[in-house]
Amino acid sequence: NAGVTQTPKFRILKIGQSMTLQCTQDMNHNYMYWYRQDPGMGLKLIYYSVGAGITDKGEVPNGYNVSRSTTEDFPLRLELAAPSQTSVYFCASGRDPGETQYFGPGTRLLVL
Amino acid sequence: KQEVTQIPAALSVPEGENLVLNCSFTDSAIYNLQWFRQDPGKGLTSLLLIQSSQREQTSGRLNASLDKSSGRSTLYIAASQPGDSATYLCAALRVGSDKLIFGTGTRLQVFP
Repeated sequence: NAGVTQTPKFRILKIGQSMTLQCTQDMNHNYMYWYRQDPGMGLKLIYYSVGAGITDKGEVPNGYNVSRSTTEDFPLRLELAAPSQTSVYFCASGRDPGETQYFGPGTRLLVL
Repeated sequence: KQEVTQIPAALSVPEGENLVLNCSFTDSAIYNLQWFRQDPGKGLTSLLLIQSSQREQTSGRLNASLDKSSGRSTLYIAASQPGDSATYLCAALRVGSDKLIFGTGTRLQVFP
Protein backbone atom coordinates (compact mmCIF):
# COMPACT_ATOMS: atom_id res chain seq x y z
CA ASN A 1 0.00 0.00 0.00
CA ALA A 2 1.92 3.05 -1.25
CA GLY A 3 -0.64 5.57 0.07
CA VAL A 4 -0.46 8.93 -1.72
CA THR A 5 2.38 9.42 -4.20
CA GLN A 6 3.40 12.64 -5.94
CA THR A 7 5.73 13.36 -8.83
CA PRO A 8 8.00 15.16 -9.38
CA LYS A 9 9.64 15.87 -6.03
CA PHE A 10 11.24 19.08 -7.23
CA ARG A 11 10.96 21.19 -10.36
CA ILE A 12 12.26 24.52 -11.61
CA LEU A 13 10.07 26.33 -14.15
CA LYS A 14 10.61 29.46 -16.14
CA ILE A 15 7.92 32.16 -16.11
CA GLY A 16 5.23 31.32 -18.64
CA GLN A 17 5.97 27.60 -18.82
CA SER A 18 3.36 25.03 -17.94
CA MET A 19 3.51 21.71 -16.12
CA THR A 20 1.40 19.01 -14.50
CA LEU A 21 1.90 17.81 -10.96
CA GLN A 22 0.90 14.17 -10.62
CA CYS A 23 -0.92 12.64 -7.65
CA THR A 24 -2.02 9.04 -7.22
CA GLN A 25 -3.60 7.22 -4.29
CA ASP A 26 -4.19 3.49 -3.89
CA MET A 27 -6.61 3.56 -0.96
CA ASN A 28 -9.78 3.87 -3.07
CA HIS A 29 -10.59 7.21 -1.44
CA ASN A 30 -13.34 9.32 -2.96
CA TYR A 31 -11.99 12.65 -1.77
CA MET A 32 -8.76 14.14 -3.07
CA TYR A 33 -7.24 17.55 -2.40
CA TRP A 34 -4.50 19.85 -3.64
CA TYR A 35 -2.90 22.29 -1.19
CA ARG A 36 -0.06 24.74 -1.40
CA GLN A 37 2.17 25.66 1.53
CA ASP A 38 4.19 28.85 1.56
CA PRO A 39 7.00 29.43 4.09
CA GLY A 40 5.66 30.09 7.59
CA MET A 41 2.10 29.65 6.43
CA GLY A 42 -0.50 26.95 6.83
CA LEU A 43 -1.91 24.99 3.96
CA LYS A 44 -4.23 26.68 1.47
CA LEU A 45 -6.68 24.57 -0.52
CA ILE A 46 -6.37 24.96 -4.30
CA TYR A 47 -8.88 22.42 -5.67
CA TYR A 48 -10.57 19.32 -4.41
CA SER A 49 -12.60 16.42 -5.79
CA VAL A 50 -15.38 14.37 -4.24
CA GLY A 51 -15.13 11.59 -6.81
CA ALA A 52 -14.23 10.79 -10.39
CA GLY A 53 -15.53 13.47 -12.72
CA ILE A 54 -16.31 15.97 -9.95
CA THR A 55 -14.02 18.83 -8.97
CA ASP A 56 -14.48 22.11 -7.12
CA LYS A 57 -12.49 25.22 -6.32
CA GLY A 58 -10.81 25.79 -3.00
CA GLU A 59 -9.49 28.99 -1.49
CA VAL A 60 -6.74 29.80 -4.06
CA PRO A 61 -7.68 28.27 -7.47
CA ASN A 62 -6.47 31.02 -9.81
CA GLY A 63 -3.72 29.90 -12.19
CA TYR A 64 -4.45 26.20 -11.72
CA ASN A 65 -6.63 23.53 -13.27
CA VAL A 66 -7.50 19.98 -12.25
CA SER A 67 -9.22 16.91 -13.64
CA ARG A 68 -10.34 13.65 -12.07
CA SER A 69 -10.92 10.96 -14.68
CA THR A 70 -10.25 8.05 -12.29
CA THR A 71 -10.59 7.44 -8.58
CA GLU A 72 -6.82 7.03 -8.23
CA ASP A 73 -5.45 10.07 -10.06
CA PHE A 74 -5.84 13.79 -9.47
CA PRO A 75 -3.37 15.85 -11.53
CA LEU A 76 -2.85 19.58 -11.00
CA ARG A 77 -2.08 21.66 -14.06
CA LEU A 78 -0.21 24.98 -13.95
CA GLU A 79 -0.67 27.13 -17.03
CA LEU A 80 1.61 30.14 -17.58
CA ALA A 81 3.68 29.71 -14.44
CA ALA A 82 4.29 32.85 -12.36
CA PRO A 83 6.78 33.54 -9.51
CA SER A 84 3.80 33.70 -7.11
CA GLN A 85 3.30 29.98 -7.73
CA THR A 86 6.65 29.15 -6.14
CA SER A 87 5.57 26.93 -3.28
CA VAL A 88 5.37 23.39 -1.95
CA TYR A 89 2.36 21.50 -3.26
CA PHE A 90 0.72 18.69 -1.32
CA CYS A 91 -1.84 16.22 -2.51
CA ALA A 92 -4.06 14.47 0.02
CA SER A 93 -6.87 11.94 0.00
CA GLY A 94 -9.56 10.77 2.37
CA ARG A 95 -12.55 8.48 2.50
CA ASP A 96 -14.83 11.20 3.83
CA PRO A 97 -14.32 14.87 4.82
CA GLY A 98 -15.03 13.91 8.43
CA GLU A 99 -12.21 11.40 8.50
CA THR A 100 -8.49 11.90 8.48
CA GLN A 101 -6.65 12.96 5.32
CA TYR A 102 -3.55 11.19 4.07
CA PHE A 103 -0.86 13.34 2.55
CA GLY A 104 1.72 12.79 -0.15
CA PRO A 105 5.38 13.84 0.32
CA GLY A 106 4.96 17.07 -1.64
CA THR A 107 6.32 18.69 -4.79
CA ARG A 108 8.64 21.67 -4.37
CA LEU A 109 8.19 24.11 -7.26
CA LEU A 110 10.41 27.08 -8.05
CA VAL A 111 9.34 29.54 -10.75
CA LEU A 112 12.07 31.85 -11.99
CA LYS B 1 -15.41 32.60 7.72
CA GLN B 2 -13.49 30.11 9.79
CA GLU B 3 -10.02 31.25 10.88
CA VAL B 4 -7.58 29.03 12.72
CA THR B 5 -4.69 30.44 14.74
CA GLN B 6 -1.80 28.69 16.45
CA ILE B 7 0.31 30.30 19.14
CA PRO B 8 3.24 30.25 19.66
CA ALA B 9 4.71 30.06 16.16
CA ALA B 10 7.84 28.41 17.56
CA LEU B 11 8.78 26.71 20.79
CA SER B 12 12.10 25.35 22.08
CA VAL B 13 12.15 23.16 25.20
CA PRO B 14 14.57 20.79 26.95
CA GLU B 15 13.96 17.07 26.75
CA GLY B 16 11.57 15.68 29.35
CA GLU B 17 9.30 18.70 29.63
CA ASN B 18 5.54 18.42 29.36
CA LEU B 19 4.22 20.98 26.91
CA VAL B 20 1.02 22.38 25.48
CA LEU B 21 0.40 23.61 21.95
CA ASN B 22 -2.58 25.88 21.37
CA CYS B 23 -5.06 26.14 18.52
CA SER B 24 -7.88 28.69 18.33
CA PHE B 25 -10.77 28.81 15.87
CA THR B 26 -13.34 31.54 15.28
CA ASP B 27 -16.40 29.51 14.26
CA SER B 28 -17.62 27.10 16.95
CA ALA B 29 -19.79 25.19 14.45
CA ILE B 30 -17.08 22.67 13.78
CA TYR B 31 -17.57 19.02 12.84
CA ASN B 32 -14.13 17.95 14.00
CA LEU B 33 -10.64 19.20 14.69
CA GLN B 34 -7.48 17.42 13.64
CA TRP B 35 -3.84 17.64 14.69
CA PHE B 36 -1.07 16.87 12.22
CA ARG B 37 2.70 16.56 12.44
CA GLN B 38 5.02 17.72 9.67
CA ASP B 39 8.71 16.86 9.59
CA PRO B 40 11.04 19.12 7.54
CA GLY B 41 10.66 18.48 3.82
CA LYS B 42 7.89 15.94 4.37
CA GLY B 43 4.14 15.72 4.09
CA LEU B 44 1.68 15.84 6.98
CA THR B 45 0.90 12.89 9.20
CA SER B 46 -2.34 12.73 11.13
CA LEU B 47 -1.90 12.50 14.92
CA LEU B 48 -5.33 12.87 16.46
CA LEU B 49 -8.87 13.64 15.29
CA ILE B 50 -11.46 14.93 17.78
CA GLN B 51 -15.12 14.82 16.83
CA SER B 52 -17.29 17.74 17.96
CA SER B 53 -19.08 15.46 20.41
CA GLN B 54 -15.81 14.49 22.10
CA ARG B 55 -13.81 16.43 24.69
CA GLU B 56 -10.46 14.77 24.14
CA GLN B 57 -8.48 12.05 22.36
CA THR B 58 -5.31 10.29 23.47
CA SER B 59 -2.56 8.46 21.61
CA GLY B 60 0.48 7.43 23.60
CA ARG B 61 2.15 10.55 25.03
CA LEU B 62 -0.21 12.83 23.08
CA ASN B 63 -3.52 14.16 24.35
CA ALA B 64 -5.71 16.58 22.41
CA SER B 65 -8.65 18.42 23.95
CA LEU B 66 -11.48 20.37 22.37
CA ASP B 67 -13.58 23.17 23.85
CA LYS B 68 -16.03 24.38 21.21
CA SER B 69 -17.59 27.07 23.41
CA SER B 70 -14.25 28.84 23.86
CA GLY B 71 -13.01 28.06 20.35
CA ARG B 72 -9.90 26.27 21.54
CA SER B 73 -8.05 23.01 21.18
CA THR B 74 -4.83 22.04 22.90
CA LEU B 75 -2.29 19.34 22.13
CA TYR B 76 -0.51 18.10 25.23
CA ILE B 77 2.80 16.28 24.77
CA ALA B 78 4.05 14.44 27.84
CA ALA B 79 7.76 13.85 28.58
CA SER B 80 8.94 15.42 25.33
CA GLN B 81 11.77 13.81 23.36
CA PRO B 82 14.11 15.13 20.63
CA GLY B 83 12.19 12.94 18.18
CA ASP B 84 9.11 15.09 18.83
CA SER B 85 10.83 18.00 17.06
CA ALA B 86 8.60 18.93 14.12
CA THR B 87 5.91 21.40 13.09
CA TYR B 88 2.46 20.70 14.51
CA LEU B 89 -0.61 21.93 12.63
CA CYS B 90 -4.22 21.92 13.64
CA ALA B 91 -7.10 21.99 11.17
CA ALA B 92 -10.83 22.53 11.67
CA LEU B 93 -13.67 21.10 9.60
CA ARG B 94 -16.81 23.22 9.74
CA VAL B 95 -20.23 21.56 9.87
CA GLY B 96 -21.55 21.18 6.32
CA SER B 97 -18.16 21.82 4.71
CA ASP B 98 -15.88 19.53 2.71
CA LYS B 99 -12.80 21.60 3.43
CA LEU B 100 -10.30 21.67 6.28
CA ILE B 101 -9.04 25.06 7.43
CA PHE B 102 -5.46 24.87 8.64
CA GLY B 103 -3.59 26.92 11.21
CA THR B 104 -0.09 28.18 10.45
CA GLY B 105 1.54 25.68 12.77
CA THR B 106 3.84 25.62 15.79
CA ARG B 107 7.45 24.67 15.13
CA LEU B 108 8.68 22.62 18.08
CA GLN B 109 12.30 21.91 18.92
CA VAL B 110 13.14 19.57 21.79
CA PHE B 111 16.83 19.66 22.67
CA PRO B 112 18.74 16.99 24.66
